[in-house]
Parts: sequence; C-alpha cells; structure tokens
Amino acid sequence: SQQGEEDPQALSIQEGENATMNCSYKTSINNLQWYRQNSGRGLVHLILIRSNEREKHSGRLRVTLDTSKKSSSLLITASRAADTASYFCATAGGGSEKLVFGKGTKLTVNP
Amino acid sequence: EAGVAQSPRYKIIEKRQSVAFWCNPISGHATLYWYQQILGQGPKLLIQFQNNGVVDDSQLPKDRFSAERLKGVDSTLKIQPAKLEDSAVYLCASSLKFNTGELFFGEGSRLTVL
Repeated sequence: SQQGEEDPQALSIQEGENATMNCSYKTSINNLQWYRQNSGRGLVHLILIRSNEREKHSGRLRVTLDTSKKSSSLLITASRAADTASYFCATAGGGSEKLVFGKGTKLTVNP
Repeated sequence: EAGVAQSPRYKIIEKRQSVAFWCNPISGHATLYWYQQILGQGPKLLIQFQNNGVVDDSQLPKDRFSAERLKGVDSTLKIQPAKLEDSAVYLCASSLKFNTGELFFGEGSRLTVL
C-alpha cells in the first residue's frame, strides 16, 4: 500500500501565482522526498527533507515537514508554465527501507 | 553524466505473451529499482537490488514477473505471461548508495497489453 497521500489531486493556477501541494503519511519516516514528473517522462528528484528538519528551500521551492501531524507541503513560488507536471511525495522509513510514493498532484500552470 | 537508460520505450503485446524490459543504471550506482506506474497513480516498487542481490521484492508478482541484475550493473524485468492489468509504465531508477536519498529515474517503458 502507498504511504503518502497528496492533496489536492489536481490544481490549476495562473502563471506567476504560488502553488501549494500537501502530503500526508501514516507511519514514522526517516526522510520525505518530492519528485516531479512531466507527462510521458520519468520522475525527477526535487528536494529531500529529513525527519529532524522542519523546512528546506531550493530555488523557488519551499518544503515544510511537520512530523507531529505526519504531513509535508511543497510550495512553488512565482509559478511558470514549465512547472506544469505531476508532483509526488515519497517517504522512506517506518521500518522499511523502500521509498513509497503517493498518487501525486497534477499541477497545471496556465500562461 | 549519462542518465538511466531503458528500452524499449513502448511495447504492445497480447495477453499471455511475454515481454522483457532492460535497464542500464548510472555508472557506479549500487542500488537499482524497478517501479510499476499505472495510469493516474504513483509508482509502486516491484523490486530493489543492492549490487546484484535482491533487497526487496515483496510486491513483485512472482508467478509472472521476474527480474535479474547480472554482475551488479544492467537489469532485466520480464513478464510471462502478461495480463491486461499489467498495462503500465515500468520505471527503472538507480541511486548511488542504499537508502541515502535521491533516486535517478529513466524515461520508462510503456507496456500495453491487449
């Protein structure tokens, strides 16, 4: 079964707006990762946040992690049409070493 | 640096036929993964290798799926016989070390079973 659950399932915004996606998980983790997948392509790693970290930045990306609520959020600021993709959270830990992916959020950025 | 290579990119077969997918990971990456991604869902881990040993194959349908990683480099995933529900994208990924973060994915092999 899959660990992470992204919310919303789909998100449509205008270029320049911010996009926020959430991920909830069920068991304890060692780290949580976010990946992007363009249509028909493989997944690309965006950012990793460890269980002892609360916030991490990478360019226009900001990830937060709240282990007490078992949730994470991915914020993309000043979105661009090229950010149109599906975004997946993936968790590692909880007694298992494998990386488990959620179902993803499909983001559409309209020019 | 060359990425993860997969072939074929697309394959159409009829049910009960067999198919094989090939993956060449990034040079020096010890860990190799095969994921199955059904349309509209997230990737599901089928099997994970550390060098040429299997670390996790708990979700691999062993009655029809098999995978090997000879010499700890290339890997092949085989399905025999295929079922309609095997229609999916098969993603290969590799990482430098076991359980240390970032996975690098190939473009995937899209299988359609008719």
